Amino acid sequence: DQQVKQNSPSLSVQEGRISILNCDYTNSMFDYFLWYKKYPAEGPTFLISISSIKDKNEDGRFTVFLNKSAKHLSLHIVPSQPGDSAVYFCAASQTNRDDKIIFGKGTRLHILP
Amino acid sequence: SQTIHQWPATLVQPVGSPLSLECTVEGTSNPNLYWYRQAAGRGLQLLFYSVGIGQISSEVPQNLSASRPQDRQFILSSKKLLLSDSGFYLCAWSLSGPGLGAYEQYFGPGTRLTVT
Repeated sequence: DQQVKQNSPSLSVQEGRISILNCDYTNSMFDYFLWYKKYPAEGPTFLISISSIKDKNEDGRFTVFLNKSAKHLSLHIVPSQPGDSAVYFCAASQTNRDDKIIFGKGTRLHILP
Repeated sequence: SQTIHQWPATLVQPVGSPLSLECTVEGTSNPNLYWYRQAAGRGLQLLFYSVGIGQISSEVPQNLSASRPQDRQFILSSKKLLLSDSGFYLCAWSLSGPGLGAYEQYFGPGTRLTVT
């Protein structure tokens, strides 16, 4: 049972435009959501997170939106840059329980010149 | 600041040989530690986690084992490697807190293991 789903395995976006990566989850008890970025042959790097008490969190070019009723979150990258080409993992957890962070399978983002 | 080290970066081992991958964390105390595997074209699979010295929890039955002999040292081992053990192995740490999912995890650079 996949609790965190990233339904798009890949996405191509023109440089300078907005990249939108989507993530859906099934467990309504998740209250903490994270995005990670991963380059080939490297470990994932933590990008941005959001608590369920918020619906938006912004950090520079990166903004994460949370829609609890739809059990959906998205990562917006504006403007997209060549260095943003990577695999992006969505993750979720329940912070008040001894449960692990659950990762999605990732979306590969290609920024086109 | 905290840093996490993993070695070796790449490893080619024959089937049936033993394995030992090491991970160390600097700049923090009593971290939660994790071993993940990323198989080709797949997501991150949690293999083991540890909330303290000598405390190991296994997520999936497999050919691998883990140990935490010191607070900031986490070791992944196998007595006899299988072809299916090939993959990209990642160590991660997080702050310890009310739950394993309370804080973000920080990953090491990974080890590419090829079993031949």
